[in-house]
Amino acid sequence: QVHLQESGPGLVRPSETLSLTCSVSGGSISPYYWSWIRQPPGKGVEWIAYISDTGSTNYNPSLKSRVTISVNTSSNYFSLKLNSLTAADTAVYYCARDPGASYFDLWGRGTLVTVSS
Amino acid sequence: QSVLTQPPSASGTPGQRVTISCSGSSSNIGRNTVNWYQQFPGTAPKLLIYSSNQRPSGVPDRFSGSKSGTSASLAISGLQSADEADYYCAAWDDSLIGYVFGPGTRVTVL
Repeated sequence: QVHLQESGPGLVRPSETLSLTCSVSGGSISPYYWSWIRQPPGKGVEWIAYISDTGSTNYNPSLKSRVTISVNTSSNYFSLKLNSLTAADTAVYYCARDPGASYFDLWGRGTLVTVSS
Repeated sequence: QSVLTQPPSASGTPGQRVTISCSGSSSNIGRNTVNWYQQFPGTAPKLLIYSSNQRPSGVPDRFSGSKSGTSASLAISGLQSADEADYYCAAWDDSLIGYVFGPGTRVTVL
């Protein structure tokens, strides 16, 4: 059974860069699309970016200037970097799998990231 | 401001049928299929309906989805207390070139 696990710092200072990793276990990175999605406390869900197993990427236009997504197929993980953080970036960050049909059939449990000094 | 529109809340008594609407535009729901996610407090969203009307394995047939034009809906029949959750619609948007979600609808069982 495929399992996704997010990892990263729980607390980041304003203006710094957030780095998160999603480890994929029990299955392969290929041939799927992999996304990062976030949810501020008490609010709705926002898609951040996706990357394919071949490295093709796409970003939410509202975050594009601050986001980088990457994949390591040999080690079965993908990563997110979000720079110039503000309090508005405080959220639970989820990684998720898209089987290529524009829906997310598998989600990680999420990791809470708080931006605060 | 979400690209997709949903009512903030919906409610019903046990056994009733509840319907949640999701309104979009020609660039998202009008051209692409709709997906629905169910989320309980403190947990990740879970895929409930994909490709507008398909249920993943394990999802009860009490849940059904439909799409017409630039709108979609999720119906929950035989409402149960276990169905109290937040429900999000989502679709691919050809103009934004990305996934878009609705703001979510909280279902309460009275």
